[in-house]
Amino acid sequence: DVKVTQSSRYLVKRTGEKVFLECVQDMDHENMFWYRQDPGLGLRLIYFSYDVKMKEKGDIPEGYSVSREKKERFSLILESASTNQTSMYLCASSPPKGRGYEQFFGPGTRLTVL
Amino acid sequence: QKEVEQNSGPLSVPEGAIASLNCTYSDRVSQSFFWYRQYSGKSPELIMSIYSNGDKEDGRFTAQLNKASQYVSLLIRDSQPSDSATYLCAVNPLGSGNTGKLIFGQGTTLQVKP
Repeated sequence: DVKVTQSSRYLVKRTGEKVFLECVQDMDHENMFWYRQDPGLGLRLIYFSYDVKMKEKGDIPEGYSVSREKKERFSLILESASTNQTSMYLCASSPPKGRGYEQFFGPGTRLTVL
Repeated sequence: QKEVEQNSGPLSVPEGAIASLNCTYSDRVSQSFFWYRQYSGKSPELIMSIYSNGDKEDGRFTAQLNKASQYVSLLIRDSQPSDSATYLCAVNPLGSGNTGKLIFGQGTTLQVKP
């Protein structure tokens, strides 16, 4: 079974702090994604990566950065946390073309910024 | 027009009935289609994928795809209270290359009443 893990289920940070959210997958997937999910707004793509050290902006990259130094790990960084970044953050991974593109999600991190 | 549209619901059905969830998409050349189930407070879980026109059955779930009408649906037979969740439709759009990017609908909330 595909396993995607995220470093924390719940996180509370203060405004202005630098926040790191970690995601690890164990299926050797090329593609990894970071979303945030808010009531009424659905899933919104922040950043994605289709290879080590490769990254592309999603729909809402402002205030975020990412790092992918190893294939299995994709980190989301909030450079200076703000209250409007309080949200559920979801990481996902998927295999390359030819193997379906199904995305498999981690359990999520509920981040609260005070 | 949104790229992937779903009726937000809630869709309410009695236990044992067939629940029918619908999704339309705007990109005519999309190739891959997915249904996810998301329980409240949890992350999305992949339940069905479909790539060809027609029906695909898996247990109580049937996915139906009609590319000419740009329409994909999910039928849940013998609905159970445990099926109460939000169901997300996702589509792999043209131009996503090998990145595996998916476009998600806002989701339909299903309530199965005992």
